[in-house]
Amino acid sequence: EIVTTQSPATLSVSPGERATLSCRASQSVSSNLAWYQQKPGQAPRLLIYGASTRATGIPARFSGSGSGTEFTLTISSLQSEDFAVYYCQQYDHWPLTFGGGTKVEIK
Amino acid sequence: QVQLVQSGAEVKKPGASLKVSCKASGYTFTNYYIHWVRQAPGQGLEWMGLIYPGGDVRNYAQQLQGRVTMTRDASTNTVNMELSSLTSEDTAVYYCARSVLTAHSHWFDPWGQGTLVTVSP
Repeated sequence: EIVTTQSPATLSVSPGERATLSCRASQSVSSNLAWYQQKPGQAPRLLIYGASTRATGIPARFSGSGSGTEFTLTISSLQSEDFAVYYCQQYDHWPLTFGGGTKVEIK
Repeated sequence: QVQLVQSGAEVKKPGASLKVSCKASGYTFTNYYIHWVRQAPGQGLEWMGLIYPGGDVRNYAQQLQGRVTMTRDASTNTVNMELSSLTSEDTAVYYCARSVLTAHSHWFDPWGQGTLVTVSP
């Protein structure tokens, strides 16, 4: 099973600042990685797939990069609605696995 | 619009079985997989398995093999997930989610609203 590790666990950022979230896979997953945003009491929402392709309706301030084992989600200028938990998910190998999440909180 | 609507919250006793349904609308039901993902309170996301609504294809997470069964009803565009021999460890929000059929394309979009399942004596 591929283990995906996210860091940091919590990221404190001021509105308007840049946030950089990391996801590391225990072996190569090529570009088969997605990112999700989850707010309290809500289902996750797809942000990025294919490591760098924004899903429909996702603002351009969200960008993804990386391949192989190292991936990054960047939020260029945090808005109030972006404070949430973010998960990465690999879909290169079975079973499909998620990272443990990064909580982005207001500094 | 594409939508997945799940059945309501459940409270179960240890040892009982659970059935959660997921009704799809807004797209061709048999053109996508349906996956189940669960989230224990305050925890991360765990993939449980998938079913192909258009045929006899299922893939279950190894740790749930023997306890989980996913079924489909194409006449009502509904997928069901049954989990047996419940313990307190199965207390979680259960989500269904859609992915395309293409290999190496199993990201999830959209998700159902979630079904809270509480296992308590």
